[in-house]
Amino acid sequence: EVQLVESGGGLVQPGGSLRLSCAASGFTFSSYDMHWVRQATGKGLEWVSAIGTAGDTYYPGSVKGRFTISRENAKNSLYLQMNSLRAGDTAVYYCARGLWFGESEMFDYWGQGTLVTVSS
Amino acid sequence: DIQMTQSPSSLSASVGDRVTITCRASQGISNYLAWYQQKPGKVPKLLIYAASTLQSGVPSRFSGSGSGTDFTLTISSLQPEDVATYYCQKYNSALVTFGQGTKVEIK
Repeated sequence: EVQLVESGGGLVQPGGSLRLSCAASGFTFSSYDMHWVRQATGKGLEWVSAIGTAGDTYYPGSVKGRFTISRENAKNSLYLQMNSLRAGDTAVYYCARGLWFGESEMFDYWGQGTLVTVSS
Repeated sequence: DIQMTQSPSSLSASVGDRVTITCRASQGISNYLAWYQQKPGKVPKLLIYAASTLQSGVPSRFSGSGSGTDFTLTISSLQPEDVATYYCQKYNSALVTFGQGTKVEIK
């Protein structure tokens, strides 16, 4: 059974840093792209970052230069290093597995999420 | 960046009704579109990918169509368990964008 379990969320002051982790099991982790997606309370889904099987990384403009996604295949783990955090980064952060179909990618498994609150 | 616009933002329909949600891309994205269902307090669930392919285990009352810039998600006969927010998602040039969501309620 595929499982994704996030950890590392919490309360952090504006300008601070936090590192999220996602522990994967039930599939060959190294063979899949992995993503982070966030959702502020009562709001929609926002894609945060992606990492390919070769370690290539991708970010939207809203987090580029502040967030760093990484993976450690030997530990079946995904990470998100978040720096220079702002109030607008407050959200539940989900890790999600990427599934390719042709030239399109979607997310077939999601973790339960970890809450990040940026506040003084 | 390609923007995804869903409509309506919310709808209320009766059990058994046919429900249609629209997602429009600001540029053509071929069929690189997926739909997700997020029930209250739950994690998003993949319903449809490649615009019209039903994910395994998803009830056949759900269907998707479209290509290019205009896409639809249809629930042929709305059930109480379909109360949720539905999101479209595009993948293009390694960037992912979600629509803003459509909240579906029972009248």
